[in-house]
Amino acid sequence: GENVEQHPSTLSVQEGDSAVIKCTYSDSASNYFPWYKQELGKRPQLIIDIRSNVGEKKDQRIAVTLNKTAKHFSLHITETQPEDSAVYFCAAKGGGFKTIFGAGTRLFVKA
Amino acid sequence: GAVVSQHPSWVICKSGTSVKIECRSLDFQATTMFWYRQFPKQSLMLMATSNEGSKATYEQGVEKDKFLINHASLTLSTLTVTSAHPEDSSFYICSAGGETGVTGELFFGEGSRLTVL
Repeated sequence: GENVEQHPSTLSVQEGDSAVIKCTYSDSASNYFPWYKQELGKRPQLIIDIRSNVGEKKDQRIAVTLNKTAKHFSLHITETQPEDSAVYFCAAKGGGFKTIFGAGTRLFVKA
Repeated sequence: GAVVSQHPSWVICKSGTSVKIECRSLDFQATTMFWYRQFPKQSLMLMATSNEGSKATYEQGVEKDKFLINHASLTLSTLTVTSAHPEDSSFYICSAGGETGVTGELFFGEGSRLTVL
């Protein structure tokens, strides 16, 4: 079945540094790749997404890149701030309706 | 974005009892809703796809007789955990959207934290 792998599981950075989270997916029919941020005990919140016909997308300090050939996509957060600390999930939506999530990355931004 | 509401936000029950969780799409019609389960410090695992007016589609390893899903209207899906046991304690979260369309974005409910004593 569909599988999404995410690395690293934990990431600690100094405030102001960049953070990069990487994911791979198995279903070549996947066409939509969202990234969610989840704070403890709360629902996931969409922070950025990218469709399969686009290679890169940026929204202020957040950017996502997609390599369809390699089935890789990555999240880049620049100028990290303590409030960026949370768990981040990548996901992939295939040809059907299902959205499959990666295992998550716990990001710590140290002030 | 669209609003999905889930109730209750937390519930404590005794082992052997059943618990019902409701998921409502407040400002749009959802022919499909998704139920996820999330254990502490783990990812969101898709349990089943709830289809309005028809049977839910369960993921491999999820017991359909234990996790009953009903999607009787375009705005409401329910998940009933039957004969709950401590190992069913988890964060259950529903979502809607993600269907064929412009974005495919999922809109999540607030989640329901179930504790089975």
